[in-house]
Formats: sequence, structure tokens, C-alpha cells
Amino acid sequence: RKEVEQDPGPFNVPEGATVAFNCTYSNSASQSFFWYRQDCRKEPKLLMSVYSSGNEDGRFTAQLNRASQYISLLIRDSKLSDSATYLCVVLGSGNTGKLIFGQGTTLQVKP
Amino acid sequence: SAVISQKPSRDICQRGTSLTIQCQVDSQVTMMFWYRQQPGQSLTLIATANQGSEATYESGFVIDKFPISRPNLTFSTLTVSNMSPEDSSIYLCSVEGVGGPVAKNIQYFGAGTRLSVL
Repeated sequence: RKEVEQDPGPFNVPEGATVAFNCTYSNSASQSFFWYRQDCRKEPKLLMSVYSSGNEDGRFTAQLNRASQYISLLIRDSKLSDSATYLCVVLGSGNTGKLIFGQGTTLQVKP
Repeated sequence: SAVISQKPSRDICQRGTSLTIQCQVDSQVTMMFWYRQQPGQSLTLIATANQGSEATYESGFVIDKFPISRPNLTFSTLTVSNMSPEDSSIYLCSVEGVGGPVAKNIQYFGAGTRLSVL
């Protein structure tokens, strides 16, 4: 079983749609969680951290369910510029600083 | 956040040769990381480089193939040795955020080195 699992998609949605991505992780001791965004042929960039209480940043909402070891990202009112690959990322246990990446979910927003 | 300069941005190399990738950061950081992203795949950590100590390699990666230097707190190199076509990939360096414990868990990436081995 992969340490971090995501549905690779692609998700093809029209502009203005709401889309949700899910991610599961295997290590119950994991403490920090993130969503990164990677545009084609670019490096990953932090989209948002994921906190236990859930957090929102504009059109983006991230949720964490520790009991189910499940992380989600909700994008409302999708824009063409949201088209990218969204990477679910978990900080490894211990003090190594090691990030464990999911394989990414590809989103294509169409006009 | 940190500003990371990585070079070269791309290279085409012959089988059997070696390439050294450089990563320069605009602030002092304890930990630097080297990742590989193979075509169509996500990122896999190669090793963690701490200044003043040997790099720590992940399973499946060895020092002879991927020697790493970390001479100071703002610079690191990764060498891909004795290359084969299977080494064709994007190689990325990253650094932890600067600040408190929350910031340190976030990593910032260089633009990557796109390597093609013929």
C-alpha cells in the first residue's frame, strides 16, 4: 500500500464548478499535511497547509479527518487557471523533515 | 519563503557521463532535500543533506550513484553519476521554511533540472 494515495484523475470540469479531491495516508503518526500545486513543467508550490480543524483560503477549503486518515481539498467556482496537478503531501514521522507525496490529481477546467 | 536557484535548468547528456546539479538558497537553512520526479510520476525523495554531515539516503538510492555535497548552509550539489537513460528525470532541490516549527515543516522547491540521457 502506498503511503499517500490519491485518485490521479483527470478531473475535467467546467468553469464555475465545485470539485473535491481526496487523499488517504497510511501512517497514523503523521502530524502535518499539505496540498501542493504543480503546473505543467514547473516545480510544486505550496497551496495550503491542512489543519485539524479544517481551513479555508478563498475558494479553497482543506479538511483533515485523523480517524479515517483522510484529507480533502475542495475548490469552489473553478477558474481556468486552476488547471494543474494537486499533490497531497504528508510530513513523515520523526524529525527528518521528509515529505511524502501522493501521485497527484490532475484537474482540467474547461470554458 | 525562500528563494532557490537551481542550475542547470535542463541538460542532455550521454550515457556513462555524470552531471552535477547546483542548488543555492538566499537564506541559511539546516536541511536541504533532493527529489526525483520521473515522467508522469510524483516526487520521490533521494536524500536529505545537512551541513557538516553525510547525506541521508532513502531506500533505493546510494551515495555512489548520487553523491551530494553540502559545504555550507546556503548551497548543495547533487551529482548523477554514470548516467543511463533510466536516469532521465526532473531533479528538484527543496529547503525547509525559515521561522518557527510550523514554517519549518513547509518546503520550497527550486525550479528543477530536466535531465535527458541518451
